[in-house]
Amino acid sequence: QSVLTQPPSVSAAPGQKVTISCSGSNSNIRNNYVSWYQQLPGSAPKLLIYDNSERPSGIPDRFSGSQSGTSATLDITGLQTGDEADYYCGIWDSSLSLVVFGGGTKLTVL
Amino acid sequence: QVQLVESGGGVVQPGRSLRLSCAASGFNFRSYPVHWVRQAPGKGLEWVAIISYDESQKYYADSVRGRFTISRDNSKNTLYLQMNSLRGEDTAVYFCARVRRPYSAPYYYYIIDVWGQGTTVTVSS
Repeated sequence: QSVLTQPPSVSAAPGQKVTISCSGSNSNIRNNYVSWYQQLPGSAPKLLIYDNSERPSGIPDRFSGSQSGTSATLDITGLQTGDEADYYCGIWDSSLSLVVFGGGTKLTVL
Repeated sequence: QVQLVESGGGVVQPGRSLRLSCAASGFNFRSYPVHWVRQAPGKGLEWVAIISYDESQKYYADSVRGRFTISRDNSKNTLYLQMNSLRGEDTAVYFCARVRRPYSAPYYYYIIDVWGQGTTVTVSS
């Protein structure tokens, strides 16, 4: 069980917005930046967000991230069926010197 | 193009050893820290280990520390994972993955921008 807690699943209709949360503690999220990854079925993960809210080139602005206190969130607007995937948050826990991933959230676009 | 290709997976008995390799191409491998990350069947991502660009720093997950060793050969553009005393719970797809920033300090290790397609390790008698 990860120290970063994500909801196991979320769902929404095409065109709608969904929010995926990543909850941690004062010892991890509050003191470290968060990244987000998308893993399509049968594929390797893909970087979506880093430094809490920065997008790598090529990632559409439908994907956005934020952080407040001990939680981080990934927002996806204008949902498409192609967004159906597992989403993971990740941090470098500087106090433990290790990378931590959240347990993952399965997004279903109804 | 930038690419990571893992190899060396297979079926191995509990208690035995296996060495995974990850061949890098399309970028200056020797400049980048690289990870091993695994994913058990139907489960989430689990970080395994990371090695700095110059091998001076290595960090491990508690679940593998003392059994697994990460290393690299920058002259061959290759990352390795030596896995000893394998257990059933080590069964997973193993990904190698690159840290986004070259020469980066541990602070940036959470930003992983290139992933291989993975190699499957099955530990079973």
